[in-house]
Amino acid sequence: DQQVKQNSPSLSVQEGRISILNCDYTNSMFDYFLWYKKYPAEGPTFLISISSIKDKNEDGRFTVFLNKSAKHLSLHIVPSQPGDSAVYFCAAIVARNTPLVFGKGTRLSVIA
Amino acid sequence: AAGVIQSPRHLIKEKRETATLKCYPIPRHDTVYWYQQGPGQDPQFLISFYEKMQSDKGSIPDRFSAQQFSDYHSELNMSSLELGDSALYFCASSLLAGVNTGELFFGEGSRLTVL
Repeated sequence: DQQVKQNSPSLSVQEGRISILNCDYTNSMFDYFLWYKKYPAEGPTFLISISSIKDKNEDGRFTVFLNKSAKHLSLHIVPSQPGDSAVYFCAAIVARNTPLVFGKGTRLSVIA
Repeated sequence: AAGVIQSPRHLIKEKRETATLKCYPIPRHDTVYWYQQGPGQDPQFLISFYEKMQSDKGSIPDRFSAQQFSDYHSELNMSSLELGDSALYFCASSLLAGVNTGELFFGEGSRLTVL
């Protein structure tokens, strides 16, 4: 049973516009949520995270929103740049020192 | 800065053969995680080690085993390989103090192809 779900396998966005990547989860015990970015032939790299006690975390062009009642989080990238084209994984952990649970990923293509 | 090193990057084996993947974590990181990502799939957690002891176990088949050595590098041993074992195997490391936020540092992965 998929605890972290990314229902959109791909997304195309025009350069300069906003990219919104969505993620749903089923486990209400998740404590932290993270977004990882993966380029081809590379391992995932950490992008941004949010604690379950917050509803927003911002880092430059990247903002993550958490809606606990809906068990939904989203990653906003604005403005989108061609270099943002990658696969984005949503992930979560239940507690400290426990393994990450990943979604299937969403492939973002930013078109110049 | 030194990253997580995985070797080999690519490996081709035949069914029923064995394979060993190695992972060298970032210096001073004390925790290692192994993930398996099949084609079009999300990375699935296999097993983790903290201070050379197994700390968590996920969907790791009984044909697989792993350990973390005194120098903190880890090896994933896979025996009686099956076609379905073909995947990208990621190793990730972290320092315990940072793990409460879930931030792991991943290697570039080892791609195993079983023919």
